[in-house]
Amino acid sequence: DAGVTQSPTHLIKTRGQHVTLRCSPISGHKSVSWYQQVLGQGPQFIFQYYEKEERGRGNFPDRFSARQFPNYSSELNVNALLLGDSALYLCASSLIGNEQFFGPGTRLTVL
Amino acid sequence: GEDVEQSLFLSVREGDSSVINCTYTDSSSTYLYWYKQEPGAGLQLLTYIFSNMDMKQDQRLTVLLNKKDKHLSLRIADTQTGDSAIYFCADSDSNYQLIWGAGTKLIIKP
Repeated sequence: DAGVTQSPTHLIKTRGQHVTLRCSPISGHKSVSWYQQVLGQGPQFIFQYYEKEERGRGNFPDRFSARQFPNYSSELNVNALLLGDSALYLCASSLIGNEQFFGPGTRLTVL
Repeated sequence: GEDVEQSLFLSVREGDSSVINCTYTDSSSTYLYWYKQEPGAGLQLLTYIFSNMDMKQDQRLTVLLNKKDKHLSLRIADTQTGDSAIYFCADSDSNYQLIWGAGTKLIIKP
């Protein structure tokens, strides 16, 4: 079975631009969570979706938004990029939320 | 807000046991997790424990939970060079939103 996939692998943007990151969960998993991991730190929770509904939101500005599609894949959108948004963005999938399996991440660099 | 703390480094000799410790503040934690992250890689779920358990063993891994002291530990028996990585402790609330420590870098000495 395929694991969690994320695209793109790497991305370079400039300040003020917009970015869309994509995640496909493990087949059969209905919950997707997004995390931001800044170099040298633990991940920070951004969003969680379950059955296409937002189940939780972390302490991130409104520039960050997400959605989950009928096939349970998900997108994370970030508007008006700042230098501080440079990080590894991780997607995790789970059946209901407890065992979260992570994808390889998208490395976003904002110049 | 809730917090999870870990020491930043642990150095052990190959073949010895490694014990990585973690403390958390959330009194409503439902599950507590250990993840492993190798350089340039994503996060690998190693094991997790339900908050009403005090121990879980899985091959070389033993998790101990002291709920009264809000202390979680991960013991790796017979530590090998392939165990070199950063180990993250995380706790989840009833909505399964994970709160993470900063990670403990495990260094293996030959």
